[in-house]
Amino acid sequence: DTEVTQTPKHLVMGMTNKKSLKCEQHMGHRAMYWYKQKAKKPPELMFVYSYEKLSINESVPSRFSPECPNSSLLNLHLHALQPEDSALYLCASSQGRGLAGARETQYFGPGTRLLVL
Amino acid sequence: AQSVAQPEDQVNVAEGNPLTVKCTYSVSGNPYLFWYVQYPNRGLQFLLKYITGDNLVKGSYGFEAEFNKSQTSFHLKKPSALVSDSALYFCAVRASPLSGSARQLTFGSGTQLTVLP
Repeated sequence: DTEVTQTPKHLVMGMTNKKSLKCEQHMGHRAMYWYKQKAKKPPELMFVYSYEKLSINESVPSRFSPECPNSSLLNLHLHALQPEDSALYLCASSQGRGLAGARETQYFGPGTRLLVL
Repeated sequence: AQSVAQPEDQVNVAEGNPLTVKCTYSVSGNPYLFWYVQYPNRGLQFLLKYITGDNLVKGSYGFEAEFNKSQTSFHLKKPSALVSDSALYFCAVRASPLSGSARQLTFGSGTQLTVLP
């Protein structure tokens, strides 16, 4: 099973709202990722968690706040977003085997389509 | 630094004809190369990867890719295209040995494949 699930599928929020995106995998993977993707563009890495610890933050604005409560779950908390944050947010996971990690396949979820009004 | 180029934004092919989606890469060290496909409003689906060994890699849905070290290329191919293959295709690379950016995939800009009936 190579399934990564994401909820909700669609989200519309105002600039003053607080919302959260959720991601779950049951493949025993220890590395999890958040990406942002604009239409017809490649995904842009936002955050990487390795063994539930934040290992990479790609200079993402503080209005995005990631959280990894356990090895299967990854959240992205959203607050005071801007219209330009509207995008497809993708979660991915991989085995997370340290230095062997370059060979790993990242498996992506279906994404959450976010619209900020 | 590592980079990936997909020189064609759009590839059109008639159903039943062979298809090729081009990818060239630049890395320091050994490349690990990946192909993903994205259908409209969906996440990225893993197709295949090259790690080491045989230069011809076979993947999902009848796709294959050939690693060419001298030309630094990893073109995606399929002998007979289907209308259902129409999608956005991304090539991606990671390099070994690893550094602090070990788990970062670098994606190409994407190629929209349209298979005409």
